[in-house]
Amino acid sequence: EAGVAQSPRYKIIEKRQSVAFWCNPISGHATLYWYQQILGQGPKLLIQFQNNGVVDDSQLPKDRFSAERLKGVDSTLKIQPAKLEDSAVYLCASSLASRDPETQYFGPGTRLLVL
Amino acid sequence: SQKIEQNSEALNIQEGKTATLTCNYTNYSPAYLQWYRQDPGRGPVFLLLIRENEKEKRKERLKVTFDTTLKQSLFHITASQPADSATYLCALLNQAGTALIFGKGTTLSVSS
Repeated sequence: EAGVAQSPRYKIIEKRQSVAFWCNPISGHATLYWYQQILGQGPKLLIQFQNNGVVDDSQLPKDRFSAERLKGVDSTLKIQPAKLEDSAVYLCASSLASRDPETQYFGPGTRLLVL
Repeated sequence: SQKIEQNSEALNIQEGKTATLTCNYTNYSPAYLQWYRQDPGRGPVFLLLIRENEKEKRKERLKVTFDTTLKQSLFHITASQPADSATYLCALLNQAGTALIFGKGTTLSVSS
């Protein structure tokens, strides 16, 4: 079974530029999550999708971050414009259950450095 | 608000010993708690889930306990090996029952 795929793996941009990350979850997984993991911290949930609807985006900085999940499969997370404090690893995860986040499967993450 | 703490940032032990990692939480009782392993440059990998009505759960050399009175979970790795060196994350289900809240993690180093 293929795991969660993410691209790119690494990205370096200058502040005020925009950037987009892509995630392809495990086939059949209804729920998709985007997390931000700052160095030395645990993952922090940014947004959770159930199929193509948003379940929770309470911690997403909506003035600069946006995310979508087209057709309930792939998802993209965008930052525009980026700030220095956005430097982090952006993790995508998916789970089979429609609501309860039991057993999440994580992708390798995208490492973002904002200069 | 929900708060989760992993007391030790780093734990160093010798091969063969038992590693014990601690996770404490405050403010409410989650329906379940999970432990994940994260290697450098990789995403977390699910290890174990323990529910509020379970006292203990085992998987091979791993054992997790869940004390809802103390609001604490202990994660044990017996007969530890250098390959067990990684960061271990505790995560609990939020009060709404929709998402996980992760601790900062404890980095375990097992020396041979």
